[in-house]
Amino acid sequence: QVQLVESGGGVVQPGTSLRLSCGTSGFSFRSYAIHWVRQAPGRGLEWVAVISSDGDNQYYADSVKGRFTISRDNSKNTLYLQMTSLRPEDRSVYYCAREISSGKHFDSWGQGTLVTVSS
Amino acid sequence: SYELTQPPSVSVSPGQTVTITCSGDKLGDKYASWYQQKSGQSPVLVIYQDDKRPSGIPERFSGSNSGNTATLTISGTQAMDEADYYCQTWDRSSYVFGTGTKVTVL
Repeated sequence: QVQLVESGGGVVQPGTSLRLSCGTSGFSFRSYAIHWVRQAPGRGLEWVAVISSDGDNQYYADSVKGRFTISRDNSKNTLYLQMTSLRPEDRSVYYCAREISSGKHFDSWGQGTLVTVSS
Repeated sequence: SYELTQPPSVSVSPGQTVTITCSGDKLGDKYASWYQQKSGQSPVLVIYQDDKRPSGIPERFSGSNSGNTATLTISGTQAMDEADYYCQTWDRSSYVFGTGTKVTVL
């Protein structure tokens, strides 16, 4: 079955960097655009970034543009999120999610990884 | 930037019908999707492309989208349907989630 598993979360200080990973299995990874979506504690879902199936195109939410970089390695079936200049407001559970292109919706989600930014 | 607005909370008695709205400018011209998120769990897709149900989602979940409003309806609500619900759409290379609605089954 389709599986997405996030890793790499943790506690970091403001201004530092962190890289998240999303390992996948059960589907043809190279055929799908994949997203990062985050959720601050007790808050709603916030879309973060998307990368096209071939990795050539990336789009970001204004709140992370210029600080976060989404990338993928189709040979390893893995998605990444490089986060720099982290702020306390970046504290969230970060989910990776698979997009179905026909409807621009997310049909499969990982379990999430928690990022805490605190001094 | 594009925004989707939902009521913060709704309550329903078991067996009754509950409707959740999602408002956005000309939302009916776009596809709307809905996600259910139970406490401590990841979101689950319950409606896509306005009114389609993924495999495994009960028939009591239905959706519609017209004008400026998309609607998720849960008929014959069960205790297991208590959760947060989010609408979602896509606008000019940006993906947008609604503000979320907490459904309480009393």
